[in-house]
Parts: sequence; C-alpha cells; structure tokens
Amino acid sequence: KNEVEQSPQNLTAQEGEFITINCSYSVGISALHWLQQHPGGGIVSLFMLSSGKKKHGRLIATINIQEKHSSLHITASHPRDSAVYICAPEGGNQFYFGTGTSLTVIP
Amino acid sequence: DTGVSQDPRHKITKRGQNVTFRCDPISEHNRLYWYRQTLGQGPEFLTYFQNEAQLEKSRLLSDRFSAERPKGSFSTLEIQRTEQGDSAMYLCASTMEYEQFFGPGTRLTVL
Repeated sequence: KNEVEQSPQNLTAQEGEFITINCSYSVGISALHWLQQHPGGGIVSLFMLSSGKKKHGRLIATINIQEKHSSLHITASHPRDSAVYICAPEGGNQFYFGTGTSLTVIP
Repeated sequence: DTGVSQDPRHKITKRGQNVTFRCDPISEHNRLYWYRQTLGQGPEFLTYFQNEAQLEKSRLLSDRFSAERPKGSFSTLEIQRTEQGDSAMYLCASTMEYEQFFGPGTRLTVL
C-alpha cells in the first residue's frame, strides 16, 4: 500500500504551458514538502506547507488537509523546470515519499 | 551546494563487505535524516536523529544497518555484510525546523 500517490508519473509540456502535479496521501501529517530532483540526483526543497497556499516565483503549492491532497503548479513553464518533482508528506518524525513526477519541458 | 556534504560520493564494494558513509550536516541543524533511493523511485526514509538521539528507525532498516550521530554533529551510516540489493543512492538531509537541505548522496554499488 502506497502512502503517497502522485499524478501524473510523467509529463511533457511545451514551454510556456501551465503545469499541475497532484499528490494524494493517506497518512496523518504535520506538513508536506515538495522537492525537486535534477538528473544527477541533487534534491532541492521547494516548499514546506501545512495549510493553504504558498508561492515562490513561478511555483505555487496548495494543500487541502481535509482532503489529504496537495498540488504543485508551475506557471509559464521553462525547459530548466525539467526535473522530477517529489511530494513528501511529513508525519510522526518521518517522511513519506511519492515516486515522483518526471517533467520534461520542450522549447 | 546546499551546505550538507556526504562522503564518499561513490562506493563500489563486493558482496559481504562492510561499508560506512558519512554525512556532515549544516552545523546549526539539529535534525538529520538518512534516506535510500533506488533508480526510478522516490527516496525511502531510513532513520532520523534529533541531535545525537536516534528517534525513528524504519522497519526497512535491517539489523545489518546501523547509524550514529555522536555529539549531534556528523552522522555515519554503516552497512554490514552488504548484499546486491543494497545498491542504491544513500541521501542525507538536515533541517532546523522546516526546509530540508539534502546532501549530494553516496551512490553504493554492490558487486
């Protein structure tokens, strides 16, 4: 049983498109993290949120605690956004991870 | 560079050998995590330290795995009697309160 489900698993978009990645989880959480992993393995934390919505530049993350669902949006996508995006709910001193959404943005 | 370093970056070993990895977190961070990631999968939680105390350990972590964080600074992860299934990227992350800072990982290959 997967505690975290992400969709889609793979996504190809044209430069400039609006992108949405969804995350559903079944565990009780204190917060949820969105991570970005580039080829070569480096992981960067994008957001930590426990309610509502956060925005950093072209990235927006939302969470609905009651529905156990979070979304990551990328506006005006760019080829440099190509990476794997991982949803990681945090609860009980540990993190649960989705398998990631592989995003490719074509110029 | 996130400020978290791991050593070595790559390790190739023969089945049955012991290996040890080191993680140096950001100095003021009191929480440190170890994860394992295999190709095409998201990271899997292994264990968690708050300062020098190991507070959480995944049931995925067999008795062959042990982790320490003496003095609440750097941490080591040891795998005894390695198996081919241990081949993976081992990631370390540290945090003070919110954002996790990940190290570059140690890629282990067990032949």
